[in-house]
Amino acid sequence: QVQLQESGPGLVKPSETLSLTCTVSGGSISSYYWTWMRQPPGKGLEWIGHIYYSGTTNYNPSLKSRVTMSVDTSKNQFSLKLSSVTAADTAVYYCARKVALDAFDIWGQGTMVTVSS
Amino acid sequence: QSALTQPPSVSGSAGQSVTISCSGTSSDVGSYNRVSWYHQPPGTAPRLMIYEVSDRPSGVPDRFSGSKSGNTASLTISGLQAEDEGDYYCSSYTDFRSYVFGTGTTVTVL
Repeated sequence: QVQLQESGPGLVKPSETLSLTCTVSGGSISSYYWTWMRQPPGKGLEWIGHIYYSGTTNYNPSLKSRVTMSVDTSKNQFSLKLSSVTAADTAVYYCARKVALDAFDIWGQGTMVTVSS
Repeated sequence: QSALTQPPSVSGSAGQSVTISCSGTSSDVGSYNRVSWYHQPPGTAPRLMIYEVSDRPSGVPDRFSGSKSGNTASLTISGLQAEDEGDYYCSSYTDFRSYVFGTGTTVTVL
């Protein structure tokens, strides 16, 4: 079955760019939307945005100015870049698959990213 | 865009039923049937339990049911079991072509 795995640095300095990659295994990245979510410690979930396998993107309006997503179909991977990070960006970051009925049916295990000098 | 409003916690004895509400606006829950629910046990990733207001993915017990009236969606867990403990989040598509999650509800089995 399809599985997702996030990877990237666990520590990022303030004002720098957070970069994460999600690897899709057990299935093709084609024909789906691929999503990033985050969850600050002890808080709720926040949708960051998604990217279609063709490269079309849609971002959370509150983060749009700092977010860039990309997809590499040859590697079955998609990526997130979040610029100018602050302590408020400290969170567990999840990648997930979005199905046509606007639900997120497969999630990665999540990766903790801490913003600190 | 504000988070959808959920009660912080609900509890019930094993075998009982509990209902979690998810209150939104006419820009999200009230306008779209694209409401989904997720279960997140401590320290784990969320799991999809309900999509499109009331449909269950394969493998989700029929003890879980969803509904919607106006700007409020609800998740009911019947025959509560110990494994149902954890946090539950609702989510909705919005007018802004984005997605918003609820504030989260902790379910405790007494």
